[in-house]
Amino acid sequence: NAGVTQTPKFQVLKTGQSMTLQCAQDMNHNSMYWYRQDPGMGLRLIYYSASEGTTDKGEVPNGYNVSRLNKREFSLRLESAAPSQTSVYFCASSTGDRDYEQYFGPGTRLTVT
Amino acid sequence: RKEVEQDPGPFNVPEGATVAFNCTYSNSASQSFFWYRQDCRKEPKLLMSVYSSGNEDGRFTAQLNRASQYISLLIRDSKLSDSATYLCVVNKGGGYNKLIFGAGTRLAVHP
Repeated sequence: NAGVTQTPKFQVLKTGQSMTLQCAQDMNHNSMYWYRQDPGMGLRLIYYSASEGTTDKGEVPNGYNVSRLNKREFSLRLESAAPSQTSVYFCASSTGDRDYEQYFGPGTRLTVT
Repeated sequence: RKEVEQDPGPFNVPEGATVAFNCTYSNSASQSFFWYRQDCRKEPKLLMSVYSSGNEDGRFTAQLNRASQYISLLIRDSKLSDSATYLCVVNKGGGYNKLIFGAGTRLAVHP
């Protein structure tokens, strides 16, 4: 049982480049989330998806777009990367009735130069 | 002011010690509370929920004081494997998208 998987694990981008972070879960969870984690700050929600076909903005959505491709997959796209987007990105999922228990993927470490 | 504040530490303690972490939250309407654990360069994982009456899970005890908007985590008989960052998490209510994570308190347990 893989849980939540993320690709890639590491990425270096130049300013202005674009990329998509992939996330998949095999726990049949309805809700999925994208967070970023920066030193000295808590995890901050970028976007979330309550169910297949729906997405909503979180606390820090600017500069990002998301796609809930199906129930399993939730991708995060950076259209024009900026140094301020250097961070660790975590995808998470949860069931509908225990959304406080979120299962996280291993993270993607992104550096934008 | 951050919505959830924690002492970043690190707390350096010997094996067998008892250590306590505190957390304060600013939104008095917050509905539920949790502690997550995050190992170095790993993902966060739910450690335990925090109930108003206080709750224990083995060596771990969590307490909530709603009047003071304060949450604590006590670890007894610390083990080397307890070394991690402990994240205080508050659910503001209003939906599943309202978990607010503290920046974490780092614990280092040494032999």
